[in-house]
Amino acid sequence: EAGVTQSPTHLIKTRGQQATLRCSPISGHTSVYWYQQALGLGLQFLLWYDEGEERNRGNFPPRFSGRQFPNYSSELNVNALELEDSALYLCASSLTQTGGTEAFFGQGTRLTVV
Amino acid sequence: RKEVEQDPGPFNVPEGATVAFNCTYSNSASQSFFWYRQDCRKEPKLLMSVYSSGNEDGRFTAQLNRASQYISLLIRDSKLSDSATYLCVVNRNNAGNMLTFGGGTRLMVKP
Repeated sequence: EAGVTQSPTHLIKTRGQQATLRCSPISGHTSVYWYQQALGLGLQFLLWYDEGEERNRGNFPPRFSGRQFPNYSSELNVNALELEDSALYLCASSLTQTGGTEAFFGQGTRLTVV
Repeated sequence: RKEVEQDPGPFNVPEGATVAFNCTYSNSASQSFFWYRQDCRKEPKLLMSVYSSGNEDGRFTAQLNRASQYISLLIRDSKLSDSATYLCVVNRNNAGNMLTFGGGTRLMVKP
């Protein structure tokens, strides 16, 4: 069974440009989480989508946005890129159950802003 | 106060040592708990779930104390390959299935 897949694996953009990152969850998973991890730092929560809706948002400016498609895949958009947006962007998926289940991560997209 | 807090470390231990990490969480409605491991420049991977009665997986033991709202991870007979960052994760079931990650504790096992 395929795990969480993210594309592209690496992305180089110029300051001021826009970046689009994509995530395909594990089949059957309806929740998708996005995290930013700058070099040497912990995971910073960005966005949580479930059943096509944004459920929660971390402390990031509005130029970080995203969406979840009917097939539960997700897209993260970062507008007006800044140098400090350079980081590993991780996507994770999980089942939506009140019992609570673990999340599985993709290998990430490494974004470099120059 | 952060919702899930961990000592960032690093914990520097010799091979064969026993090391313990603690994690505290602030939301008493949290119901599911996990430990993840993250190697340098890699994605986090599930190490083990944490059950109310405590659970063991080989050299790893996880425990939960709901009254004090903390979770622990014990690693016995540390190996060089255990060097990584260990992330505590809490599921806030009263907010759907929202997973919240701690900042991680870095472990370095030395020969």
